[in-house]
Amino acid sequence: KAGVTQTPRYLIKTRGQQVTLSCSPISGHRSVSWYQQTPGQGLQFLFEYFSETQRNKGNFPGRFSGRQFSNSRSEMNVSTLELGDSALYLCASSPEGVGNEQFFGPGTRLTVL
Amino acid sequence: GQNIDQPTEMTATEGAIVQINCTYQTSGFNGLFWYQQHAGEAPTFLSYNVLDGLEEKGRFSSFLSRSKGYSYLLLKELQMKDSASYLCAVRSTWGDYKLSFGAGTTVTVRA
Repeated sequence: KAGVTQTPRYLIKTRGQQVTLSCSPISGHRSVSWYQQTPGQGLQFLFEYFSETQRNKGNFPGRFSGRQFSNSRSEMNVSTLELGDSALYLCASSPEGVGNEQFFGPGTRLTVL
Repeated sequence: GQNIDQPTEMTATEGAIVQINCTYQTSGFNGLFWYQQHAGEAPTFLSYNVLDGLEEKGRFSSFLSRSKGYSYLLLKELQMKDSASYLCAVRSTWGDYKLSFGAGTTVTVRA
C-alpha cells in the first residue's frame, strides 16, 4: 500500500497570504488528522476529519481550517499568514474504527517571510 | 489541560540501553503512544499501551503505570540508526484520534 502523501513538500509564502496544503491518506483510511510541528512547541493537534466531518479540533485560531472530500483526501487552509505559522505541517491517517496507530505523511514545510 | 513531560536530550553508547521517561497529567486517558522521528522525516509508530505493564517489541519495550501517570520507552542494544527524536503522546478519549504530544526526547547514539 502506498503511504500517506502530502503536497507540496516545501512552500514559501509572505505574511498576509493564504495557503492550502493537501493530504492523501492510505487507501481505505477514513480518518485524517493534521498537526503542526515547531521546534518550540513540538507536535500540536490541529483537527481531525472522519467521513468528511470534523470530529475534533485543537486550540488554533480560526485562520486554520480544513476539509475532507468523499475520497478521504483532505486539505487544510491557513489564511492571513503570520511569521509564527512557519512550521512543518504533518498529516496522519488511520483506519476506520478505533485504530491504535496513526500513519504520518512526510509533511509540508511552510516558511512565512 | 494536557501536560506531558519528557527529557529533552539523552546520549548513550552503541550497544547500551537507554530508558526514556514520560510523565503525563491529562484530562482523560485512553492510551499512550511512542513514536520515533528521524531528523527531517515523519514520525513512525513504535508502541501503544493502554493497560498497566510492559509491552515488548524486539529491541524496544514500553511500560505504563496509569496510577502514576508514567511511561517509559526502553531501547536495548542501541544502534547508530536509533539516533532520533522519541515522542510520547497521550490519547484522552477512547476512539479519538486527537493525540497530545510531549516535546520529544532527542537520543544520540555514539560509537
